[in-house]
Amino acid sequence: GAVVSQHPSWVICKSGTSVKIECRSLDFQATTMFWYRQFPKQSLMLMATSNEGSKATYEQGVEKDKFLINHASLTLSTLTVTSAHPEDSSFYICSAREGQTYNEQFFGPGTRLTVL
Amino acid sequence: RKEVEQDPGPFNVPEGATVAFNCTYSNSASQSFFWYRQDCRKEPKLLMSVYSSGNEDGRFTAQLNRASQYISLLIRDSKLSDSATYLCVVKRAGTYKYIFGTGTRLKVLA
Repeated sequence: GAVVSQHPSWVICKSGTSVKIECRSLDFQATTMFWYRQFPKQSLMLMATSNEGSKATYEQGVEKDKFLINHASLTLSTLTVTSAHPEDSSFYICSAREGQTYNEQFFGPGTRLTVL
Repeated sequence: RKEVEQDPGPFNVPEGATVAFNCTYSNSASQSFFWYRQDCRKEPKLLMSVYSSGNEDGRFTAQLNRASQYISLLIRDSKLSDSATYLCVVKRAGTYKYIFGTGTRLKVLA
């Protein structure tokens, strides 16, 4: 199956710093990438949808100035958590959809962010 | 009302048992449905898609009831390795977006 990687797999940072998370599709071109957040014992919540070369579409309640998404190529999307605070500590997971496969999304292994 | 709702469990069952999970969705226009499995601190992995006619994959059977807007997953002959959280996923109508349920935790006991 298609492979999606994320980097880093975990990060610990101080409050107020910015953290960039990369999501790469390794063996296919991702027309669309999605970013999710999962708090402990909760389900995945869709944060935003990004299409290559265009602005991301954010879900209601997600601050676009805080969570900057860039999808500059068909194999790479980045999520930057700006001025991170402890409440941003979460498991961030990306997924990618290949243009020819209408339904299936392929998930990355996730990035665990801890803000001190 | 949430778009996708599941009983969070946990379901604790002995090895060999049969267990069933249900999931309800609110948007009758939804067309695509999935069951994912998520192990602790890992990403979700596709278990199976759910088709209108129902589908089976080994010990796993998925059913869709459009009239009542619910999806079910049946696991027969449970194994210890089936212990995980099972996520019901509905693709939002007219989009490529997946909406996840809260997940149902299953623990299979020896």
